[in-house]
Amino acid sequence: GNSVTQMEGPVTLSEEAFLTINCTYTATGYPSLFWYVQYPGEGLQLLLKATKADDKGSNKGFEATYRKETTSFHLEKGSVQVSDSAVYFCALDGSGNTPLVFGKGTRLSVIA
Amino acid sequence: GAGVSQSPSNKVTEKGKDVELRCDPISGHTALYWYRQSLGQGLEFLIYFQGNSAPDKSGLPSDRFSAERTGGSVSTLTIQRTQQEDSAVYLCASSAYSNQPQHFGDGTRLSIL
Repeated sequence: GNSVTQMEGPVTLSEEAFLTINCTYTATGYPSLFWYVQYPGEGLQLLLKATKADDKGSNKGFEATYRKETTSFHLEKGSVQVSDSAVYFCALDGSGNTPLVFGKGTRLSVIA
Repeated sequence: GAGVSQSPSNKVTEKGKDVELRCDPISGHTALYWYRQSLGQGLEFLIYFQGNSAPDKSGLPSDRFSAERTGGSVSTLTIQRTQQEDSAVYLCASSAYSNQPQHFGDGTRLSIL
């Protein structure tokens, strides 16, 4: 079945540091891939998505490229801010009527 | 409002009581999903509705859990005879169609004493 594996946290970085959160997936067919972010006390928000191989999703300075050859969708940001502190979830949407499959989430803490 | 609305935002109840959680999806969204987020466990899929029918109930953890959706809109998740392990944040999401990005509510934090 479909599954998502993302790096375990917590990840603690200083402001302006470079961020990478690894995500790999297992899926049949051609899934869509997503990153969701959950700020403290809030629900999940869609951060970015990619629907086919080699697509790059980007939003708020974050980027992730859909790599079919390595079955990966790593999240990157060149310079993190304190306001980026949150839990980040990688997710997969298989084709057809299937719900999202989420990774376990990675907590990011950015310190000034 | 424009987003997914869940109520109550917090619920504290005694073990053995029944609880009902409500989700009001974004208007016009046909697909609705329930997830459970337990501390350190990530997001666990519970049930999915397309319109009023539930093609996938595979995630419901026991027969104490049930959900319904009426009028293709509001959904309620009911937990009967609650147990302490039911304590979690219950998240609802909706999407325009089943393979479109999901939009999440802020969740209901359920605490079983």
